[in-house]
Amino acid sequence: RKEVEQDPGPFNVPEGATVAFNCTYSNSASQSFFWYRQDCRKEPKLLMSVYSSGNEDGRFTAQLNRASQYISLLIRDSKLSDSATYLCVVSPTSGGSYIPTFGRGTSLIVHP
Amino acid sequence: GAGVSQSPSNKVTEKGKDVELRCDPISGHTALYWYRQSLGQGLEFLIYFQGNSAPDKSGLPSDRFSAERTGGSVSTLTIQRTQQEDSAVYLCASSYGGQHLGGGYTFGSGTRLTVV
Repeated sequence: RKEVEQDPGPFNVPEGATVAFNCTYSNSASQSFFWYRQDCRKEPKLLMSVYSSGNEDGRFTAQLNRASQYISLLIRDSKLSDSATYLCVVSPTSGGSYIPTFGRGTSLIVHP
Repeated sequence: GAGVSQSPSNKVTEKGKDVELRCDPISGHTALYWYRQSLGQGLEFLIYFQGNSAPDKSGLPSDRFSAERTGGSVSTLTIQRTQQEDSAVYLCASSYGGQHLGGGYTFGSGTRLTVV
């Protein structure tokens, strides 16, 4: 099993739609979780951290389910500018290893 | 600096030549990571530096790859005797390191390496 798994998509949705992505991780010692956004031929950029209690930033909501070892990202009222690849990032922050593991990303295409 | 700076932004080299890629992390960030990303692929971990500790080199694909970080700041990734399969975007990221990951990891814009 891969350490961090994501559905590659693409998710093809109309403007205004709500879309959700999941990401599963295998290392139960994982402590830090993030969603990154990567535009074509650009570097990944932090979208939001994922906290145990869940967190929201405008149209974006992130959730963590430790029991089932997955995190999710919900995007409401999709915009054309949301089209990108969304990377799930998991970091153990224990046992002396702080190396983040990146999922391969989920591609989102928002069309008019 | 304000962000992570990488140079060069693009590098075309002939097979068999050596290349050096540079990363200047955000000031105060103790952790520095090198990743590479091939076209349409995910990020592949290469090496991790944390403060003055010995680097974690577990991701380096072969002994042709090496990296150093001088003075806890600038890092250089060296690829000797480049091969065509080394062609990729090499990304550097930095963070506060340790458990201070609230700000996540900040990436540079990468070096696009093409081996011909």
